[in-house]
Amino acid sequence: NAGVTQTPKFQVLKTGQSMTLQCAQDMNHEYMSWYRQDPGMGLRLIHYSVGAGITDQGEVPNGYNVSRSTTEDFPLRLLSAAPSQTSVYFCASTPQGAVNTEAFFGQGTRLTVV
Amino acid sequence: GENVEQHPSTLSVQEGDSAVIKCTYSDSASNYFPWYKQELGKRPQLIIDIRSNVGEKKDQRIAVTLNKTAKHFSLHITETQPEDSAVYFCAVLGGSNYQLIWGAGTKLIIKP
Repeated sequence: NAGVTQTPKFQVLKTGQSMTLQCAQDMNHEYMSWYRQDPGMGLRLIHYSVGAGITDQGEVPNGYNVSRSTTEDFPLRLLSAAPSQTSVYFCASTPQGAVNTEAFFGQGTRLTVV
Repeated sequence: GENVEQHPSTLSVQEGDSAVIKCTYSDSASNYFPWYKQELGKRPQLIIDIRSNVGEKKDQRIAVTLNKTAKHFSLHITETQPEDSAVYFCAVLGGSNYQLIWGAGTKLIIKP
């Protein structure tokens, strides 16, 4: 049981490049989400999904796309990277359809855009 | 929308003393209030949570209290130990959506 797995752990992009951050969970969780973490700002929700085929925007969705074709996978795509997207990104999942229970986080991806 | 404020941003306490971190929120319909601990370079992990039908919850040295009238909740850590050094985040789940709103975090430093 691996839990929530994120790849890559570190990434450097040039401005304008695109890339996909991968997130997979093997716990059959319905709810998955992506956060970014910046110093002094806590965690901010980018996008979330309440089940396969359903996604919705969070607090800071601009510049990011997601899809949820399977229960296990929830990739985050950066369309055209900008320095403002330099951050640590966390994927998380919860076992029920709602969020009022423990969220399990991946190990994080530290992204630098130059 | 929901707004969560967390204080203090940094807290330094002597080993063995107690630590208290407070969060206030704005949406009176909020119904779920977790606390997460994040060690340096690691992922956040849930340490305790409370739901709106409960005023206090305790788990060994950690407790959370909720005042729904005043719209604030607090994390209490007693008999602090060096391994308690970390950043602590509160979060709030609004009553009408699936989004957790997070506080900015408190860096807890335990002095030997």
